[in-house]
Amino acid sequence: NAGVTQTPKFQVLKTGQSMTLQCAQDMNHNSMYWYRQDPGMGLRLIYYSASEGTTDKGEVPNGYNVSRLNKREFSLRLESAAPSQTSVYFCASSYRTGGQETQYFGPGTRLLVL
Amino acid sequence: AQSVSQHNHHVILSEAASLELGCNYSYGGTVNLFWYVQYPGQHLQLLLKYFSGDPLVKGIKGFEAEFIKSKFSFNLRKPSVQWSDTAEYFCAVNGGNQFYFGTGTSLTVIP
Repeated sequence: NAGVTQTPKFQVLKTGQSMTLQCAQDMNHNSMYWYRQDPGMGLRLIYYSASEGTTDKGEVPNGYNVSRLNKREFSLRLESAAPSQTSVYFCASSYRTGGQETQYFGPGTRLLVL
Repeated sequence: AQSVSQHNHHVILSEAASLELGCNYSYGGTVNLFWYVQYPGQHLQLLLKYFSGDPLVKGIKGFEAEFIKSKFSFNLRKPSVQWSDTAEYFCAVNGGNQFYFGTGTSLTVIP
């Protein structure tokens, strides 16, 4: 099992460029999440998908869109990148059973927007 | 609104010292509680979790945490830290469909 994988690992964009961050999990988890991590602010939820075919906004969704392509894949798109979106992006997945749910994280994507 | 507070932003300890990191949460319903660790340059890894039962939870690498419902707290402890414990530690709460994270505590252990 690879767990949660993310591509790319690093990316540099110019302001206004677009890109898609890819995330895949092979644990047959129902739920998937996108977070951004900034110094002193912990992890902030951008979007999540509780199940295939559904997506919901998190704490900081502005400037982002997501697609739950299938049960395995959950992509994050920046349509017009801004310097404020410079961050480390983490994808996570989880499976809920009997009221218990644990998240597992990918290795992260470091994004620099110039 | 749900929230998780970690009051210690940066902790510096010498090797063999004892560690306690505070975590308080605000959530009205049944919660699941977690501590994650992030070593430099790496992703978050699960240290331990509490769902129900014994409020004293033991995790990997000698860490433990105690859930005190009356205080809405889930503090992380380790009796004797090592240099390799240098990392950032995040407390998290799962309520509903979302996870809520604290802002993290950076731990530096001096050899």
